[in-house]
Amino acid sequence: GESVGLHLPTLSVQEGDNSIINCAYSNSASDYFIWYKQESGKGPQFIIDIRSNMDKRQGQRVTVLLNKTVKHLSLQIAATQPGDSAVYFCAERGVSNFGNEKLTFGTGTRLTIIP
Amino acid sequence: NAGVTQTPKFRILKIGQSMTLQCTQDMNHNYMYWYRQDPGMGLKLIYYSVGAGITDKGEVPNGYNVSRSTTEDFPLRLELAAPSQTSVYFCASSYSGRGIKLSEQYFGPGTRLTVT
Repeated sequence: GESVGLHLPTLSVQEGDNSIINCAYSNSASDYFIWYKQESGKGPQFIIDIRSNMDKRQGQRVTVLLNKTVKHLSLQIAATQPGDSAVYFCAERGVSNFGNEKLTFGTGTRLTIIP
Repeated sequence: NAGVTQTPKFRILKIGQSMTLQCTQDMNHNYMYWYRQDPGMGLKLIYYSVGAGITDKGEVPNGYNVSRSTTEDFPLRLELAAPSQTSVYFCASSYSGRGIKLSEQYFGPGTRLTVT
């Protein structure tokens, strides 16, 4: 039968504080990673990406850190705002069993900003 | 560009009915995907396609069928709707080829399906 999913992990942060969302990826050969944001009732949207030859990449109020040794990815959001409340997904790029490139999504984390 | 468009936005089906969820992209992307997202859950890949005429199963293909006759369109077919198929369905597309590696997926707005 189909796999049973787990409910999303949740993280609550006070408005104005920094938040850190973590993601463990599975494939040590993955060479590219993306963070997506999904607001309620909408499809996921691209936030920031990082290649495996980098450890850190910064955007506007967001920073992605990559630790290849432990296969860990994190998204830091500075000075959180109510509009940051959303579900955040990480994705890794690898190769499928058929030799095609593929993106694999993590479970996701629900971030709630407390006013 | 309109990006990825999906129709309908909402649909209610009775058990055993059939329907097709439409997905179109105008970015000339070769990869297209269908995901389902149950309430409070993450994305599960149903089917994907790496180009016209080529499709393959994802994690949860049972109860669904797809076809890819053109680059632009990737419809998802439910033949005998069941309550377990109540979910939000997202279509996405991306590009890989000619020295460009697969990068971000662009998502449509979703179709909210209820089967009762």
